Amino acid sequence: QKEVEQDPGPLSVPEGVIVSLNCTYSNSAFQYFMWYRQYSRKGPELLMYTYSSGNKEDGRFTAQVDKSSKYISLFIRDSQPSDSATYLCAMLGIQGAQKLVFGQGTRLTINP
Amino acid sequence: NAGVTQTPKFQVLKTGQSMTLQCAQDMNHEYMSWYRQDPGMGLRLIHYSVGAGITDQGEVPNGYNVSRSTTEDFPLRLLSAAPSQTSVYFCASSYSQGDGNEKLFFGSGTQLSVL
Repeated sequence: QKEVEQDPGPLSVPEGVIVSLNCTYSNSAFQYFMWYRQYSRKGPELLMYTYSSGNKEDGRFTAQVDKSSKYISLFIRDSQPSDSATYLCAMLGIQGAQKLVFGQGTRLTINP
Repeated sequence: NAGVTQTPKFQVLKTGQSMTLQCAQDMNHEYMSWYRQDPGMGLRLIHYSVGAGITDQGEVPNGYNVSRSTTEDFPLRLLSAAPSQTSVYFCASSYSQGDGNEKLFFGSGTQLSVL
């Protein structure tokens, strides 16, 4: 079983809807949770970062962590075609980027 | 400020050939790393370095070699290319602040095909 599971999709939705992207994990030592966005033929870029449980909001994006369920989510409100990308969750327990574990990534398409 | 620069963008090799993927960063980051990205597998860490002269293995190091002679450069060498090494390779760097906020900056990737 992989430490981090993420549905690869693809996920295709119409413009304007709320999109929910999710990851589950098995390692209870994970403390830091991140979402990276990757446009086609580009490297990933950090979108959201959360420490421990709770919610974090940044514009149209909300990251949610439920450590009791080992489940994290990324919500995109008022989705735009420019949000079309692959979204990767990433998690870290022990400090140090070399311990970062990535999910497989979910490919998202927002249709105008 | 160019960030993380990777060359080449595309490369085709024959089985058994060797080559070096170049990576350079101009942000004075101590930490640098190489990942490969395969469909359905996400990003997997190949090798990493926490500073000049220091390197270590990641999750999938076999068939790859690295060195870190300067803070700026972190080349990845394929010793004898195999079709299983067909992948997209990303170099990344970070501040390595040690507070868990390990924001990785990625290059734009090298698409490698081994025939």
